Amino acid sequence: QKEVEQNSGPLSVPEGAIASLNCTYSDRGSQSFFWYRQYSGKSPELIMFIYSNGDKEDGRFTAQLNKASQYVSLLIRDSQPSDSATYLCAVTAGTASKLTFGTGTRLQVTL
Amino acid sequence: DAGVTQSPTHLIKTRGQQVTLRCSPKSGHDTVSWYQQALGQGPQFIFQYYEEEERQRGNFPDRFSGHQFPNYSSELNVNALLLGDSALYLCASSLVGGSVFGYTFGSGTRLTVV
Repeated sequence: QKEVEQNSGPLSVPEGAIASLNCTYSDRGSQSFFWYRQYSGKSPELIMFIYSNGDKEDGRFTAQLNKASQYVSLLIRDSQPSDSATYLCAVTAGTASKLTFGTGTRLQVTL
Repeated sequence: DAGVTQSPTHLIKTRGQQVTLRCSPKSGHDTVSWYQQALGQGPQFIFQYYEEEERQRGNFPDRFSGHQFPNYSSELNVNALLLGDSALYLCASSLVGGSVFGYTFGSGTRLTVV
């Protein structure tokens, strides 16, 4: 079982719709959770992080965390073509300072 | 504001050769972490350097080694290159002991082993 699992996609949503990206993790000691966006050939850029159960909103993005289910998700409202990218879920445990990434979900926002 | 600088941007090497990749951290950052990202995969943690010492290491063979200099810049060395070492190598810098909240990634070095 992989430590961090994501559906590789592609996930295709029409412009203006809500995109829902999901991630599960295996280490119950994981404490912090991150969503990175990565455009093709570019480096990852941090979109959001969350470490408490519940929702965290930042503009069009909402991160959701359920530690009991070991599940974290990212919602993108009013999806735009510029949101088309690979979204990487990453976790870290306690004071550890390394990120464990999933394989990423490729999102395609269609016109 | 200088971010994380990696060099070279692209590199082609032959199987069995050795390669050195370089990283200059963001101004004010003192910790450098290296990641390998194979095509279609997420980045995998190689190791982290702080105060010129390797502090953490991922599941990579000893062919992968590194160094951090007094100015906080870092090198990643890979010996006896294999075809499977072809990947995007990412450097991330952070401040004071390596909090992931302050990670800044460089644009990466694309290594192709033929």
